[in-house]
Amino acid sequence: ETGVTQTPRHLVMGMTNKKSLKCEQHLGHNAMYWYKQSAKKPLELMFVYNFKEQTENNSVPSRFSPECPNSSHLFLHLHTLQPEDSALYLCASSHPAKLAGNTGELFFGEGSRLTVL
Amino acid sequence: DAKTTQPPSMDCAEGRAANLPCNHSTISGNEYVYWYRQIHSQGPQYIIHGLKNNETNEMASLIITEDRKSSTLILPHATLRDTAVYYCIVRANYGGSQGNLIFGKGTKLSVKP
Repeated sequence: ETGVTQTPRHLVMGMTNKKSLKCEQHLGHNAMYWYKQSAKKPLELMFVYNFKEQTENNSVPSRFSPECPNSSHLFLHLHTLQPEDSALYLCASSHPAKLAGNTGELFFGEGSRLTVL
Repeated sequence: DAKTTQPPSMDCAEGRAANLPCNHSTISGNEYVYWYRQIHSQGPQYIIHGLKNNETNEMASLIITEDRKSSTLILPHATLRDTAVYYCIVRANYGGSQGNLIFGKGTKLSVKP
């Protein structure tokens, strides 16, 4: 248990569906991230949010739409995806600035395994 | 950020020390060395990080060479549960946060009975 919870753990969707992935952290962090891990490929950073503001978008296609309503919750809205978008989507959180006794490490959830048919 | 080179895979006998090497010959003076691991079907987990001094915590030890061009992660008594992909990442420390880390392919460590 890392303190970062992702739901659903598994999702199967068609190319015309609209679905959302949810991430919640109970660690008091102010930075949250979405990563994508495709089969046999390294983790790819998708989006970064600091204090609810998006600070990084690594050229992610618009069919992926993030939302961060508060510092504890992060969503990834999915629409008109392609089969090549099938992957493990990982959420992470961290403190954005150094605090006493804090390593600034990333805490990851267990991921949402997405299959696009 | 400096590039790292790790062997794609390693084996280790259970109970023995696992020594995972990482080369980072282009590391800059302000860049730290971070280690994470990813057990199958789980998210990555932070292990340890350092700048130039050797570091030790409850999980592992990090040995950084004096010229900082390479480092070794040591798991002193490997168990079967240490089987995972281990990532060595070099990056500047932006205000203490480890956000925006870029993961490579890592080393797949297999601990065998």
